[in-house]
Amino acid sequence: GAGVSQSPSNKVTEKGKDVELRCDPISGHTALYWYRQSLGQGLEFLIYFQGNSAPDKSGLPSDRFSAERTGGSVSTLTIQRTQQEDSAVYLCASSLVGGEGELFFGEGSRLTVL
Amino acid sequence: DAKTTQPNSMESNEEEPVHLPCNHSTISGTDYIHWYRQLPSQGPEYVIHGLTSNVNNRMASLAIAEDRKSSTLILHRATLRDAAVYYCILTAAGGTSYGKLTFGQGTILTVHP
Repeated sequence: GAGVSQSPSNKVTEKGKDVELRCDPISGHTALYWYRQSLGQGLEFLIYFQGNSAPDKSGLPSDRFSAERTGGSVSTLTIQRTQQEDSAVYLCASSLVGGEGELFFGEGSRLTVL
Repeated sequence: DAKTTQPNSMESNEEEPVHLPCNHSTISGTDYIHWYRQLPSQGPEYVIHGLTSNVNNRMASLAIAEDRKSSTLILHRATLRDAAVYYCILTAAGGTSYGKLTFGQGTILTVHP
């Protein structure tokens, strides 16, 4: 597709379960960002990838959160043992050049932890 | 980390210009200033970005202070479709904070008919 694609668009899970969220960036974009937005809140940075490496993981809220990117393309954000406070919209963005270029955002994955 | 400060909300009338301010007094020399907006239930949308010089595009203008400690997003003629949350974001293009996004609180813009 032409834009950033995220899946699933909606995920409802039970507390304690693991979830995986996927981001497919625009082809050729080297930089990929994950962040989240809780209801009524601003955007919270989670992690940034340049290629396959993640120079900054400082935004991950706890060690239950992890992310990887393979082949410089698709990225997966994994949340283990989900908690209710993990409920949020998880947004992915990519850019051609990290730090400078225009960011293209996906529509987000809405996670609800019951 | 460089942070930004924006007013919580602003109001405008349709067809009038809107000036949305952003303070970023701790900006570093390699930080780019980006503006994005977010409509309800949508991902953020790019508006404009710049480094030192003022920038214009079809959506808006970005005026950057000479000392780069503040900037203003200018919507020349507000429309009802411009009603959104506007985020002022610094993106680090160098140094140890490379690529990290720093978000302002966002300004809720209300446009009255």
